[in-house]
Amino acid sequence: EIVLTQSPGTLSLSPGERATLSCRASQSVSSSYLVWYQQKPGQAPRLLIYGASSRATGIPDRFSGSGSGTDFTLTISRLEPEDFAVYYCQQYGSSPGFGGGTKVEIK
Amino acid sequence: QVQLVQSGAEVKKPGSSVKVSCKASGGTFSNYAISWVRQAPGQGLEWMGGIIPIFGTANYAQNFQGRVTITADESTNTAYMQLSSLRSEDTAVYYCARGVQLYQLRGWFDPWGQGTLVTVSS
Repeated sequence: EIVLTQSPGTLSLSPGERATLSCRASQSVSSSYLVWYQQKPGQAPRLLIYGASSRATGIPDRFSGSGSGTDFTLTISRLEPEDFAVYYCQQYGSSPGFGGGTKVEIK
Repeated sequence: QVQLVQSGAEVKKPGSSVKVSCKASGGTFSNYAISWVRQAPGQGLEWMGGIIPIFGTANYAQNFQGRVTITADESTNTAYMQLSSLRSEDTAVYYCARGVQLYQLRGWFDPWGQGTLVTVSS
């Protein structure tokens, strides 16, 4: 079973700042199989990035994904007020699994 | 554009079962997997299992083997998740989500249902 560890647990930043979120896998994950979601309070998760680096439909270009092997990164270049949320990475090998999430909060 | 609409909140006694529905509209139902993911209060996301309706056979996460049953009714474009032997730790929001890969359980999830809160309390 592949375990995903996200860090930091909480990121305190101001609007306009850059956010860098990490997702580390316990064993190598195909880049094609790593995705990122955003979740706001009381809402279902929303697909942001698939295939490690491809933005989903309608996702602004301030969101970008990168990485390979066991280390993946989600970057938000300039935080907008609506970006403060929890972000999850997910891999889908033989059994889908999620990271524990990173909360991006307003500083 | 596919939309998934789930049944309403439930309150259940410990030891009982719950069945949550997920109705799809606006797209092809049978050929894409429907997975169930749960989220305990203040916690992360946990995949429970999924089904490709046209094949009818479900796959379950090890943590839920023997307690969860996922089914699909192609005639009504509805998937179901039944969880038995409920305990307080099963209190969570349960989401259905559609896979994006044709005929495959593997893949990412888009879209998601709105979630169903299941509360287990005596």
